[in-house]
Amino acid sequence: DAGVIQSPRHEVTEMGQEVTLRCKPISGHDYLFWYRQTMMRGLELLIYFNNNVPIDDSGMPEDRFSAKMPNASFSTLKIQPSEPRDSAVYFCASSWDRFQETQYFGPGTRLLVL
Amino acid sequence: KQEVTQIPAALSVPEGENLVLNCSFTDSAIYNLQWFRQDPGKGLTSLLLIQSSQREQTSGRLNASLDKSSGRSTLYIAASQPGDSATYLCAVKRGGSNYKLTFGKGTLLTVNP
Repeated sequence: DAGVIQSPRHEVTEMGQEVTLRCKPISGHDYLFWYRQTMMRGLELLIYFNNNVPIDDSGMPEDRFSAKMPNASFSTLKIQPSEPRDSAVYFCASSWDRFQETQYFGPGTRLLVL
Repeated sequence: KQEVTQIPAALSVPEGENLVLNCSFTDSAIYNLQWFRQDPGKGLTSLLLIQSSQREQTSGRLNASLDKSSGRSTLYIAASQPGDSATYLCAVKRGGSNYKLTFGKGTLLTVNP
């Protein structure tokens, strides 16, 4: 398997623009997680899905952030409008087991909002 | 609210040295604890997972211990190599119906040849 795939790997945009990050989990994994990593706050869970259904979105910072999982092989994280403080590395991870013992991380999307 | 702290934030050692990375957490009601490795520009890779009922786990030159009552874990790396250079993060999982992982900010390890 190719592992968790994220696109784009790098994104530079201007404040106010819409940003869409994409993730393809490992086939057969029914849990999907979105994380954000910054120097100040470290790695934080934004939202996670089970069988395409959002389970916990308490980490989503504000209404400008939204995430969807229309099917088992695709998820998006959207920021609209983007702000400079959204600059971070966004990771997607997936897991297959009920207790999410091991999460497999993608390479991340490095987002810079100017 | 669970808080995870890792000390030191950065560590530089000569090749061959044995070393210990520390992780502490404020809420001892955890389900398990994991140690991850993160290489620059890449995602995280799980190294070791310790269940709350266990005291330690070993994989090759790595040994992780867990003292749940005191809220501490250590990652011991024996005979360090330059290839061990990376950021090491620990994460705790809360039990119950929420499977959220709470991460520390990591320790940046540099092993010098």
